[in-house]
This record gives sequence, structure tokens and C-alpha cells, in this order.
Amino acid sequence: GAGVSQSPRYKVAKRGQDVALRCDPISGHVSLFWYQQALGQGPEFLTYFQNEAQLDKSGLPSDRFFAERPEGSVSTLKIQRTQQEDSAVYLCASSLIRTGAETQYFGPGTRLLVL
Amino acid sequence: TQLLEQSPQFLSIQEGENLTVYCNSSSVFSSLQWYRQEPGEGPVLLVTVVTGGEVKKLKRLTFQFGDARKDSSLHITAAQPGDTGLYLCAGPPSNAGNMLTFGGGTRLMVKP
Repeated sequence: GAGVSQSPRYKVAKRGQDVALRCDPISGHVSLFWYQQALGQGPEFLTYFQNEAQLDKSGLPSDRFFAERPEGSVSTLKIQRTQQEDSAVYLCASSLIRTGAETQYFGPGTRLLVL
Repeated sequence: TQLLEQSPQFLSIQEGENLTVYCNSSSVFSSLQWYRQEPGEGPVLLVTVVTGGEVKKLKRLTFQFGDARKDSSLHITAAQPGDTGLYLCAGPPSNAGNMLTFGGGTRLMVKP
């Protein structure tokens, strides 16, 4: 069956450019998460949706980062005026229900390089 | 300072050797998960441990959750080149609902 998909897989942006990263979760999954993974590090939480509601955005590093999930399925993470420190892999994960111990299924990530 | 500290950060061993990876915290976790991540892919869940003192086995991998639910270990017996990858522990912080906090990872390389 289809897993979590993300696009693009790779993105090179010039500093100051805006980028949009897309996540298609597993069909029917209620919860959707975005994580940022710097080179050689573990993923760090950015934001969490339950259906279309963004319930936690405490991990977004600045107001240049914005995420949405308007119809409760596909989600987009937008980064405005990209900076070199935004270079990282952006991972999306989805889970069927909303309990803390529920398995999260990760997509392959979008590798963003800001020059 | 990360909530979950993993050690060692890097491990390079020969095929057939045994190894143990540690995941430690000063905080209590309701559960801990272990993931393996290969280059260019997202993390894939290996196991979830929930009960203090719990031991779970997955073929040559043995996972243990500490009695106080503050630490966990992953032991691999007779490592194979296919075990190469980044091993991550993760858990839901007690006050954070559904998100996961991850350790920094242990990068394992098993040489033939």
C-alpha cells in the first residue's frame, strides 16, 4: 500500500527565496507531523495537525515557517525568505489516531539546501 | 541539551560482532521507540517499549526499557552489513501530547 510521500525530494534554493514542501500522508490518518533533521542529528519536532487543525506549532523556529493542512489530508510546509541555517531534511509523518504512543509512519523527506 | 542522549554517536564494527546502543534521559517516558533510518529515507519503527523492565526481541535485536522508564538499550547480536544505518530512540515527552522527541542517533557501520 502507499506510504507517506513527500515532494520534492530535493530542493536547492537561493538565500531569500520562498519554498513550499508537500506531504501526502497515508489515507485516513488523522495526525500529521513535520520534523526537521539537520545533518548528523536526530529529527526535531516542528508542528502537529489533527485533521485540519494545527494543534501544536511550538517547534517552528521562526515566523518564516508556516504549515497548513486545509482539508485534513495533504499538508504544505512553507519557508519564506530562506536562510542557510534552514538547510536540512524535512520529514513528514502521519499516524492513524491521536494517542501519544501511536506509531508514526515517516516519509522519505525533502532535502533542502539553501545557498 | 537533548532530552534523550544516545551513545555512542558512531560505531564501526566487523561483521559478526555484538554491540549495544544506549538511550538515556533524566525524564520519565511513558514509552520509548527505536527507529532505524537509512540514507535518503525516513525513520522506520523497529519497536515500542511501554513497561518498565520490559525486554523485546526482534530476531538478532534485543530492546530493553529501564525499570524507571528513563533509559533504554538496543543490543545487536552477530551484526551483519545489513544492520548498517542510523539508530534513533524517541519518545513522547510527558507534557507534549503526541509529538516525539528524538535522541541524536547512533550511526552504525558493519563492515563485511
